[in-house]
Amino acid sequence: EPEVTQTPSHQVTQMGQEVILRCVPISNHLYFYWYRQILGQKVEFLVSFYNNEISEKSEIFDDQFSVERPDGSNFTLKIRSTKLEDSAMYFCASSNSVPYEQYFGPGTRLTVT
Amino acid sequence: KQEVTQIPAALSVPEGENLVLNCSFTDSAIYNLQWFRQDPGKGLTSLLLIQSSQREQTSGRLNASLDKSSGRSTLYIAASQPGDSATYLCAVNRSGYALNFGKGTSLLVTP
Repeated sequence: EPEVTQTPSHQVTQMGQEVILRCVPISNHLYFYWYRQILGQKVEFLVSFYNNEISEKSEIFDDQFSVERPDGSNFTLKIRSTKLEDSAMYFCASSNSVPYEQYFGPGTRLTVT
Repeated sequence: KQEVTQIPAALSVPEGENLVLNCSFTDSAIYNLQWFRQDPGKGLTSLLLIQSSQREQTSGRLNASLDKSSGRSTLYIAASQPGDSATYLCAVNRSGYALNFGKGTSLLVTP
């Protein structure tokens, strides 16, 4: 069964460093998303991406964040200068249409020290 | 702003019981509602998607209902098993893209 994959599973970085989180969405899906979950809190929407453009973003997704589809299979989330409060589990998701079922990856745990 | 609430926050039942998890949302103008399962430290597994025009969806021992006008959804789990132990999340799609999640119900099924 096709699935969303994410790498790395765990990333530790120092405050102020740039990180790139990687995702491979399900191959025939066209819509891609990033969410995050701070420990003990709700899953929160960050951004959605379609046709090489951001289709929606939340207030969390400020200038420190960017997304890219660098090739036909990968979808990335970049955090330019990490803060302690960026520590969270980051989930990538994809769907083949909107509004339709979203399929989530296993997540990348980001720890900022 | 859409608020999603899940009650109860935690639930413990003996194996074999039928149970109901509740989800409520404040804005009834939604496209769909999706139920997920999350195991500790893991990703989200989609269980059921109900479109706004639907009243219920079934998958195996799971049945989800949607009453859009009253802003409520329920997830019914029949004949619960220890393997059903997980956190169950409800998420509503109001914009077409963004899912707005509840905090979840942590379910423990004891043998």
